[in-house]
Amino acid sequence: SQELEQSPQSLIVQEGKNLTINCTSSKTLYGLYWYKQKYGEGLIFLMMLQKGGEEKSHEKITAKLDEKKQQSSLHITASQPSHAGIYLCGADPYYSGGGADGLTFGKGTHLIIQP
Amino acid sequence: NAGVMQNPRHLVRRRGQEARLRCSPMKGHSHVYWYRQLPEEGLKFMVYLQKENIIDESGMPKERFSAEFPKEGPSILRIQQVVRGDSAAYFCASSLRQAYNSPLHFGNGTRLTVT
Repeated sequence: SQELEQSPQSLIVQEGKNLTINCTSSKTLYGLYWYKQKYGEGLIFLMMLQKGGEEKSHEKITAKLDEKKQQSSLHITASQPSHAGIYLCGADPYYSGGGADGLTFGKGTHLIIQP
Repeated sequence: NAGVMQNPRHLVRRRGQEARLRCSPMKGHSHVYWYRQLPEEGLKFMVYLQKENIIDESGMPKERFSAEFPKEGPSILRIQQVVRGDSAAYFCASSLRQAYNSPLHFGNGTRLTVT
């Protein structure tokens, strides 16, 4: 099955600083999704990456998928308190032999923004 | 545009009782996924349904758990004879089509506490 490792597990960053979260797969990624979860709430879809080398941005968040399609990174520029939460990467099992038809998720990265 | 609606938000059950969790997908979505989230385990896929059909239940415990998505009405996740280990957040997600190339939209979850 598809295994997704996220690093770091938790991150404390001073407001205004940049940060990067990584997601590494044991298999080639054919679809990689980034979600954000606020504590006690559901997941909010951020971005989807499919092609090797692809990069997408939304406001101050940029996500990249490496050429080998086994690692993705999420970069936040000039962090704000509203960025605090849990960031999860999810992989599409289609074509990956993952078995289940639902997305497989990493365990998440807990991001805390210090004022 | 209503998102994915889950109810109740919080559910308390005593050991041995039944828990029923409801999920109304986004308008126009016919694919529903149920996930369970535990603090140390992350988000785990349970079951994938389309209208009136269970497509993949490989993540669902073999006993006490069942899911349905009838032609009319919400999807239901049913847990019979609950035990303390069932305490978790249960999330429902929906999509327009099978997950590949189509992001999942999540509800805010139902937090089940078994006393």
